[in-house]
Amino acid sequence: GIQVEQSPPDLILQEGANSTLRCNFSDSVNNLQWFHQNPWGQLINLFYIPSGTKQNGRLSATTVATERYSLLYISSSQTTDSGVYFCAVGENNNDMRFGAGTRLTVKP
Amino acid sequence: EAGVVQSPRYKIIEKKQPVAFWCNPISGHNTLYWYRQNLGQGPELLIRYENEEAVDDSQLPKDRFSAERLKGVDSTLKIQPAELGDSAVYLCASSSTTNREETQYFGPGTRLLVL
Repeated sequence: GIQVEQSPPDLILQEGANSTLRCNFSDSVNNLQWFHQNPWGQLINLFYIPSGTKQNGRLSATTVATERYSLLYISSSQTTDSGVYFCAVGENNNDMRFGAGTRLTVKP
Repeated sequence: EAGVVQSPRYKIIEKKQPVAFWCNPISGHNTLYWYRQNLGQGPELLIRYENEEAVDDSQLPKDRFSAERLKGVDSTLKIQPAELGDSAVYLCASSSTTNREETQYFGPGTRLLVL
């Protein structure tokens, strides 16, 4: 199956800082989603982005499918951004594979 | 619009006992997923339904796990008998293949502890 690697595994930021999270995958995909899991365990979908660039407020994501990676950008981070960020990839919605996540801690 | 509903939220059982989890997806979503998430890891897909049909159950441990989605709406995931290693969070998600973007929406999960 597809291998998904996320980096860094842990990230600590001061409030207001910017960050970039990376997701590498081992095979071609046509489904890639970014999720945020808050400290209470709820997974929230951030982006459906198998290719191209999208922005939603302080968050943006870019996927370069031909080079098999995706980046999630967080600007002007807030304490509420803390949690674990997951990348999930698959062929359509078949065999969706999640990475191990990046644990983000934003300090006030 | 109501989100994905799961119950119970927490369950503590002794090993070898049966347990069942219930999921009600977002109205109109024809695709339903069950995932298992172990501590410190990403979710792992157990089974995916398209309407009533299980189309991807390759990761479901079929000796003790079973699932059903009658009438293509609600779904139940069962473990019988439970083992210590089954302690995890069981997540249900749904999506709609009628949308061009098959975004998955997750429920709050059921946290299972097997003693």
